[in-house]
Amino acid sequence: NAGVTQTPKFRILKIGQSMTLQCAQDMNHNYMYWYRQDPGMGLKLIYYSVGAGITDKGEVPNGYNVSRSTTEDFPLRLELAAPSQTSVYFCASSDSRLVDYEQYFGPGTRLTVT
Amino acid sequence: DQQVKQNSPSLSVQEGRISILNCDYTNSMFDYFLWYKKYPAEGPTFLISISSIKDKNEDGRFTVFLNKSAKHLSLHIVPSQPGDSAVYFCAASPSNFGNEKLTFGTGTRLTIIP
Repeated sequence: NAGVTQTPKFRILKIGQSMTLQCAQDMNHNYMYWYRQDPGMGLKLIYYSVGAGITDKGEVPNGYNVSRSTTEDFPLRLELAAPSQTSVYFCASSDSRLVDYEQYFGPGTRLTVT
Repeated sequence: DQQVKQNSPSLSVQEGRISILNCDYTNSMFDYFLWYKKYPAEGPTFLISISSIKDKNEDGRFTVFLNKSAKHLSLHIVPSQPGDSAVYFCAASPSNFGNEKLTFGTGTRLTIIP
């Protein structure tokens, strides 16, 4: 199992550009998440999905969009990049049938908006 | 409003000694707690968890203690090893929501001195 994979690893965007951060998991997990981590801060939940076709906002959703057309993939879209979106982005997945609440994380995408 | 607080941004411990990482929370609805470990340029990985029906959970060198009345939990690592050098995040969830409502602390950087 590859687990949770994210692409790209690094990206530099200009203000106003758009991009999609890719996330895929091969563990057949029904729940998937997007977090951002700013320097010296904890992980903040951007969006999550409890299954294909179902998404919901987390704590910091402004400036982002998501879709979940398959169980495996959960892309995160930035439409008009702003410097405030400079951060490290982590995708995660979990199996809600287990009661351990464990989330499995990808390696992250480091995004810089200038 | 930081609902999960890790007040020590960093901690240095001699190899072989005990490392104690602390976490406080303010939301009385939290009743499931997790610790994650993060190495540079990697995603967080699950370490150990505890539910509010217990006050202690042990897994090898790692033990988590929960004091519900004080809204405080701690992670003990004994004996500390150089490979334990990482950032440790505390996370909490209300059990009626489950996986999708993890709230993370800001992390404590643990350095083990050989």
